[in-house]
Amino acid sequence: AQKVTQAQTEISVVEKEDVTLDCVYETRDTTYYLFWYKQPPSGELVFLIRRNSFDEQNEISGRYSWNFQKSTSSFNFTITASQVVDSAVYFCALSEARNTDKLIFGTGTRLQVFP
Amino acid sequence: GAGVSQSPRYKVAKRGQDVALRCDPISGHVSLFWYQQALGQGPEFLTYFQNEAQLDKSGLPSDRFFAERPEGSVSTLKIQRTQQEDSAVYLCASSYRAEQFFGPGTRLTVL
Repeated sequence: AQKVTQAQTEISVVEKEDVTLDCVYETRDTTYYLFWYKQPPSGELVFLIRRNSFDEQNEISGRYSWNFQKSTSSFNFTITASQVVDSAVYFCALSEARNTDKLIFGTGTRLQVFP
Repeated sequence: GAGVSQSPRYKVAKRGQDVALRCDPISGHVSLFWYQQALGQGPEFLTYFQNEAQLDKSGLPSDRFFAERPEGSVSTLKIQRTQQEDSAVYLCASSYRAEQFFGPGTRLTVL
């Protein structure tokens, strides 16, 4: 069965610290996609990244970077030099190519960045 | 605006009332999804449309939940005889090439 686990319920850091949000997934499919979404207090889910199962290259976008490791079924997200505006709930999600692209979300990690 | 819009943003219903939640997807997006997000949880899939066809409704929690998208654009999620456990944020997303764009959600509170 498909499942996404975000073991960290809440993380608090001080501005400028680096922080890594963990995501572990389970799927029987060989073709799947992994996502990260940000949900600020306003409630709207903001797309951050999509990765397909055949592309294990790590990605960097500004202060954000993602580490995809199929060997450990993990897709971790690192924010470098965190800022107060990064405070939000972050969700990792999985979709399987054969399964209508519906997203299976983890329970989210609440990140609080203090000035 | 070019994003997904949902209305109403907030809805309070008495237990037993029927409610209808509307989603306006991004123009031209073929796929439309509904998700339910309980407090402190991640969104959970409810149902999926491709144009006007409802291809997957495996996530609808009971037969009190019904969704439609008659012209392949606007979609309505209807909940009949609401119960307290229906209280949640209902999110709509439309997608193009596997990237889902979410609306702001409708927060439903059932008293």
